[in-house]
Amino acid sequence: AQKITQTQPGMFVQEKEAVTLDCTYDTSDPSYGLFWYKQPSSGEMIFLIYQGSYDQQNATEGRYSLNFQKARKSANLVISASQLGDSAMYFCAMREDTGRRALTFGSGTRLQVQP
Amino acid sequence: DAGVIQSPRHEVTEMGQEVTLRCKPISGHNSLFWYRQTMMRGLELLIYFNNNVPIDDSGMPEDRFSAKMPNASFSTLKIQPSEPRDSAVYFCASSLTIGNTIYFGEGSWLTVV
Repeated sequence: AQKITQTQPGMFVQEKEAVTLDCTYDTSDPSYGLFWYKQPSSGEMIFLIYQGSYDQQNATEGRYSLNFQKARKSANLVISASQLGDSAMYFCAMREDTGRRALTFGSGTRLQVQP
Repeated sequence: DAGVIQSPRHEVTEMGQEVTLRCKPISGHNSLFWYRQTMMRGLELLIYFNNNVPIDDSGMPEDRFSAKMPNASFSTLKIQPSEPRDSAVYFCASSLTIGNTIYFGEGSWLTVV
C-alpha cells in the first residue's frame, strides 16, 4: 500500500506568489515524522522542514511551512513568495518510529516558478 | 561542517563489472542509509545501518548487491556483477540517530552499459 501520496506530478506558480504542494500519508504508528526535501536539477536532496506527529504547532522554516492536518493525514508544504530558485522536485517523506525506522518517500511534485 | 560525502560522483561501467560506491557520513552521525533513485521506482531504501550494524536490508534488490560499514566513518555499496538495470542515482544519507533528520550526499550517478 502506498504510504506517501503526492497527487500533483507538476505545478506552476508565478514568482512571488504562494504555492501549496500536497502530501497525504498512511500509517497506524502513533509516533512518526514527516519531512519535505527539495531536489533541484543538479540532483542533490536538500532537507527543508520536519513535523513530528506529536507537535502541536505547524512547522515553519523561513518561507517554508508545513500545514499538518493529523486527522486528515495530510502534510502539505506551503512555499510563500516563490522565487525562481524554488523550481525543483519536491518530495514528501515519512518516518515511522516503530518498525522500519527509515524514510519512505512519495513520488514527488515538480514545481516550476514562472517569472 | 562537511556533509555526507559520496564517491564517485559519476561512473560509467560495462555490464558484468564490479562497482563500488563509497560514503563518508557526517561526523558523529550513528545511522547511515543507502537509497536508490530511478525514474520508474522513485526513491527506494536499499539498506540502513545503526552504529555500523545493518538493521534493515530488505530493500537490497538481490544478491548482486552488498553493503558494508566497517567503521563509523565509512560505508560501501557494491554491485557485482553490474547490469544495465542497475543504472540509477545512489544516495548515501546519515542521521544523528535513527529518529533524527536524514541528510543526503550529492549522489553517485551510475550508468551500466
